[in-house]
Amino acid sequence: QSVLTQPPSASGTPGQRVTISCSGSSSNIGSHYVYWYQQLPGTAPKLLIYRNNQRPSGVPDRFSGSKSGTSASLAISGLRSEDEADYYCAAWDDSLSGPYVFGTGTKVIVL
Amino acid sequence: EVQLVESGGDLVQPGGSLRLSCAASGFTFSSNWMHWVRQAPGKGLVWVSRINSDGSRTDYADSVKGRFTISRDNARNTLYLQMNSLRAEDTAVYYCARDAPVVTLDYWGQGTLVTVSS
Repeated sequence: QSVLTQPPSASGTPGQRVTISCSGSSSNIGSHYVYWYQQLPGTAPKLLIYRNNQRPSGVPDRFSGSKSGTSASLAISGLRSEDEADYYCAAWDDSLSGPYVFGTGTKVIVL
Repeated sequence: EVQLVESGGDLVQPGGSLRLSCAASGFTFSSNWMHWVRQAPGKGLVWVSRINSDGSRTDYADSVKGRFTISRDNARNTLYLQMNSLRAEDTAVYYCARDAPVVTLDYWGQGTLVTVSS
């Protein structure tokens, strides 16, 4: 059902940099901003990145987002144990899948 | 402080109905579009429905169209989701979320669990 494709998991050791990809199409990422959400175990999603690369206040600058064409990515630098969570990309969509679509989700594991 | 508190989740039999509520506080509720998003156990996030600020426009995912109805009471600062003809595949945690200009879905409630089972 998810229109945006993410890898199921990503991992790294504390201090490392981890990157999560999000692949979409011209009807979503290709023509709209990308958003990223962090979902810690047992909690509600939290907005992490908006408009491709903007961080809400309170989100550490270790988190950064980028977009190119119909793909986007989230990078976590200086990985910390508390970053272990599920991460979802999202975008508005002009197709019948819309109007708002989420990625398949990526579990980040801190080794 | 923005707060969204969902309620109304329960165990219901297939074909049954349920109404979810989302009580909002800490912002001018009547100024924002609102959304419902669900998450089946162990699965990802799925957008369900949205409503504009005065309730005159609504949109639904194909999977719930004709069965679910989103509404709001701006005087009570409350968002609703009326769920009819429930199916096992509707089993999920249902989140309400605020839609704000630029940031989009910026605040989410803690979720309420709907279980459809006989």
